Parts: sequence; structure tokens; C-alpha cells
Amino acid sequence: DSGVTQTPKHLITATGQRVTLRCSPRSGDLSVYWYQQSLDQGLQFLIQYYNGEERAKGNILERFSAQQFPDLHSELNLSSLELGDSALYFCASSSGTGGPYEQYFGPGTRLTVT
Amino acid sequence: AQSVTQPDIHITVSEGASLELRCNYSYGATPYLFWYVQSPGQGLQLLLKYFSGDTLVQGIKGFEAEFKRSQSSFNLRKPSVHWSDAAEYFCAAHGGATNKLIFGTGTLLAVQP
Repeated sequence: DSGVTQTPKHLITATGQRVTLRCSPRSGDLSVYWYQQSLDQGLQFLIQYYNGEERAKGNILERFSAQQFPDLHSELNLSSLELGDSALYFCASSSGTGGPYEQYFGPGTRLTVT
Repeated sequence: AQSVTQPDIHITVSEGASLELRCNYSYGATPYLFWYVQSPGQGLQLLLKYFSGDTLVQGIKGFEAEFKRSQSSFNLRKPSVHWSDAAEYFCAAHGGATNKLIFGTGTLLAVQP
């Protein structure tokens, strides 16, 4: 158990819908990352927050957004869902940023868009 | 562009045999390097990391990895593989300016009895 929690574990929804994925980092960690894992793209970095502020952005679609709240949990919002958004979405956390910090991953949320 | 390459998509070894999984990186400077393992339907578990110093690093579950700057490599090794080691292994790196991890495509390890 990494200490990173993600809910829900599975999500099945229809095209065009909107979903919210939730992540709670390890106790004491200030940085939260979101990654997408799909068969065709592999593991891709989406976005990072550090202590409530956006720190880095990767290949995140405009239909996707995220935020980190004062209690440090984070939410990833996916809207206007398409079939191609079906993937495993991971949250990770680390104690800091901009240096030698390792990331610990949650169990993931498997999103299926039908 | 920064990249991490795992040349072997799939490897099969016999239980008790030694294992080496290859990883090469391409970065402007030496990145921070990691190996993760993913069992079916599970998240990513950190096996070990290299930040600096001793180029041979020890991890969990009996794994070790050796950093070789001259070869831009960070290969993962285990002297004797157990059936429970069957999983997918990912090499990853970040440059430190941001901590965004760049992952290799993964190596799927099968263990024969």
C-alpha cells in the first residue's frame, strides 16, 4: 500500500458525459501528479500540482482539468468524454518538487467510455 | 527530446534464473532514474531509484539496478527470479526541473516454472 488513495476504482460512462476522479496523496506529500495509461499511448504525464498551484502540464486535453484543494487532495475532471478517453488514470504524490523526489502511485481509476 | 527506451517488450525466464531488464535514457543531463513494477490490475510500485552517488542501487524484492553514465543505461537485475515476479516493469526518469516522469514502454516479464 503506497498510501495514495484514488476513488472510484472503476467508472463506466457514456460518450459526452463528464466524470470526476479523486486522489488523496500520502500524508505529508505536497505534490500530486496525474498520469494516463492506455494501450496505444502507454503511461503519459498529464498535470502536476504542488501545494495547490499548478506546477507542470503535459499532454492534457483541453476537455480535462484538475485542481488541488487546501487539504491537498486533488480532482481530475474529464468532460465531453470520447471512446478514446478510456484508460487507466493514476494519481501519484511526492513530498516536494524540483529535485530528487520519488513518486508513489495510487491504485488507479479505470475509466471505460461506452 | 527527453526519452526513456526499454528495448525488450516481452521477456520469458525460468524460475530461479537470473534476470536483466534493459533501460536507456536520453536527457540533456543525468536525470533521476526509477524502476516501477505493475502487476495485472494493480498500480505502480516503486522498486528502486537512482539520484546520485553509488551507481549500484538496491531496491525491494531483491532487485538492484546499475547506472552507467557512459551507456546512458539503468538496467534492472535480479539474481534469481521467483514466479511472483511475473509483471510489467517500467523504467522512468525525470529531469528535476519539474518532476514529470517520462516512462519507457514497459517490459512484460513471464516466469516459467
